[in-house]
Amino acid sequence: EAQVTQNPRYLITVTGKKLTVTCSQNMNHEYMSWYRQDPGLGLRQIYYSMNVEVTDKGDVPEGYKVSRKEKRNFPLILESPSPNQTSLYFCASSSGGRNTGELFFGEGSRLTVL
Amino acid sequence: AQSVAQPEDQVNVAEGNPLTVKCTYSVSGNPYLFWYVQYPNRGLQFLLKYITGDNLVKGSYGFEAEFNKSQTSFHLKKPSALVSDSALYFCAVRDIFYNQGGKLIFGQGTELSVKP
Repeated sequence: EAQVTQNPRYLITVTGKKLTVTCSQNMNHEYMSWYRQDPGLGLRQIYYSMNVEVTDKGDVPEGYKVSRKEKRNFPLILESPSPNQTSLYFCASSSGGRNTGELFFGEGSRLTVL
Repeated sequence: AQSVAQPEDQVNVAEGNPLTVKCTYSVSGNPYLFWYVQYPNRGLQFLLKYITGDNLVKGSYGFEAEFNKSQTSFHLKKPSALVSDSALYFCAVRDIFYNQGGKLIFGQGTELSVKP
């Protein structure tokens, strides 16, 4: 089954404690992206990757890091989480080209930073 | 600058009635337009897209959307609403001349509630 898998789905952590949210897709997609969803703000892009070893900032990259060492994986790293990073996070992928925009989303990771 | 607006936070309709969820956009070039649906505690699912061609686009679950270039709108429609259509709907735009890797700009979302 084609899917984007995120882990963990729920996480409560404390300020400053490094964490990683993993994302993996099994569709051989070139394009992957991270979004955060906040009430009244819709989805905002954090980082994206056009292909392996190619990453770039989205609209709200501050406080986040990503890496793309393999095509299928695109982890989101919070080196020193702060309460304003409490949010619902989505990883998404697409095959790129004219299909970029037809995104496949993971189920979401709800993060609370105390 | 690219932007998308969904002017209604919530839309309420009775089951069996037609529904419309509104979306307007602003881009510097030609738009690719999308609708996504989010059910509770789930990720977003692609519904339909407009790239070129016929202004009326048909998608999943009986939904369709009408592209209107003069009004810069892309409203989502369904002739007969179902209770199971109740969800959060997002409009999104991609400016095909914008070089940031095909990024989608999402609207704020519209909560659709269909009552029996």
